Amino acid sequence: QVQLQESGPGLVKPSETLSLTCTVSGYSISSGYYWGWIRQPPGKGLQWIGTIYHNGSTYYNPSLKSRVTMSVDTSKNQFSLKLSSVTAADTAVYYCARDYDFSGWFDPWGQGTLVTVSS
Amino acid sequence: QSALTQPASVSRSPGQSITISCTGTSSDVGSYNLVSWYRQHPGKAPKLMLYEVNKRPSGVSNRFSGSKSGNTASLTISGLQAEDEADYYCCSYAGSGTPFGGGTKLTVL
Repeated sequence: QVQLQESGPGLVKPSETLSLTCTVSGYSISSGYYWGWIRQPPGKGLQWIGTIYHNGSTYYNPSLKSRVTMSVDTSKNQFSLKLSSVTAADTAVYYCARDYDFSGWFDPWGQGTLVTVSS
Repeated sequence: QSALTQPASVSRSPGQSITISCTGTSSDVGSYNLVSWYRQHPGKAPKLMLYEVNKRPSGVSNRFSGSKSGNTASLTISGLQAEDEADYYCCSYAGSGTPFGGGTKLTVL
């Protein structure tokens, strides 16, 4: 059974870089599949941030592309998200999920982690 | 990429059926049979309910069905139950990304 778990600081200061890691268990990332990050501001809808393939190929939401960097560490079975120059608008619950075939088919999801941007 | 358009809210009584629409463009919904639907209860992570327009993952009730016509995809839930009260989101492949819809709050009265 594949499981994902997000981890990282829950509080980030404005203008700094948000860094999150997703640890995958029950499946080896190096075996394949795409892996994605999605966020949800409090009381709002879901926003796709980006997707990474196991070989490191990345696909980013055009509205966030200039600030997003995703990477994969197959030795640790993890993939990561960095979002630079954050503002209060980046406050959200951040989810990681397996993205089958880079088709918007996300399953399973992590439980999500709230990141607040505040000084 | 623009967000897909969904009705903000809908409501029905238990036992009834509901159809939730998801309107995109010829660049996303209209071009690919790669629409997925998610159900999200308050405080919980989204759960995949349908993928590739009308396919159900293992364990999802056959009360959930999907269809697509042109640039609009639809999720139909039959025999509404209290547990179906939740937010529903659609998502579509769009060539270089996967935008979500704005979400629909379903109330089961």
